[in-house]
Amino acid sequence: AQSVAQPEDQVKVAEGNPLTVKCTYSVSGNPYLFWYVQYPNRGLQFLLKYITGDNLVKGSYGFEAEFNKSQTSFHLKKPSALVSDSALYFCAVAPRSGGYQKVTFGTGTKLQVIP
Amino acid sequence: DAGVIQSPRHEVTEMGQEVTLRCKPISGHDYLFWYRQTMMRGLELLIYFNNNVPIDDSGMPEDRFSAKMPNASFSTLKIQPSEPRDSAVYFCASSLGTSGRAETQYFGPGTRLLVL
Repeated sequence: AQSVAQPEDQVKVAEGNPLTVKCTYSVSGNPYLFWYVQYPNRGLQFLLKYITGDNLVKGSYGFEAEFNKSQTSFHLKKPSALVSDSALYFCAVAPRSGGYQKVTFGTGTKLQVIP
Repeated sequence: DAGVIQSPRHEVTEMGQEVTLRCKPISGHDYLFWYRQTMMRGLELLIYFNNNVPIDDSGMPEDRFSAKMPNASFSTLKIQPSEPRDSAVYFCASSLGTSGRAETQYFGPGTRLLVL
């Protein structure tokens, strides 16, 4: 069975500093990996995804994530945090075969960017 | 496109009552997903459909929950009878599935359910 771990319930960073939100996964074979963001009282919004190719994936709002197969990680990063980045971030994984649309989400990491 | 539409946005009901949540996916999307979000359990996949056919309902908590998709533009999630532990935010999401790989899911705004 596939799973995702987001080891930090909350991450606090100062505005203008780089941010990292951690994610590790477990899946049979190579994965599809996603990051979504959720603002208060809203549904999840897609940020970026890893399908194949370049391990560094660039997404919306200046976010990027690096797929590391050996460490089974897909950490989300941004060089300079904005207060408006404060939200709940979800990492997600899906297998490449059989039921590849069945995406498993992590428990979420609350990002707080301090002015 | 208006995105994924869910109704109602908020529902307050009493234990034992039937609750019906509704979802209209993005036109042209052939996958539809129902999720439940709680503080304790996070985001859980309840069931998903492909071309109106249920593919995996292993996440449905028990027989009190049922979901249908009578056509490509409408799905319902029904809880009968409802219990206080069903209180949660229920999300519907849709995606394309023609590429043969996991695709981006587009989420609705959710239905916040409170069972008293």
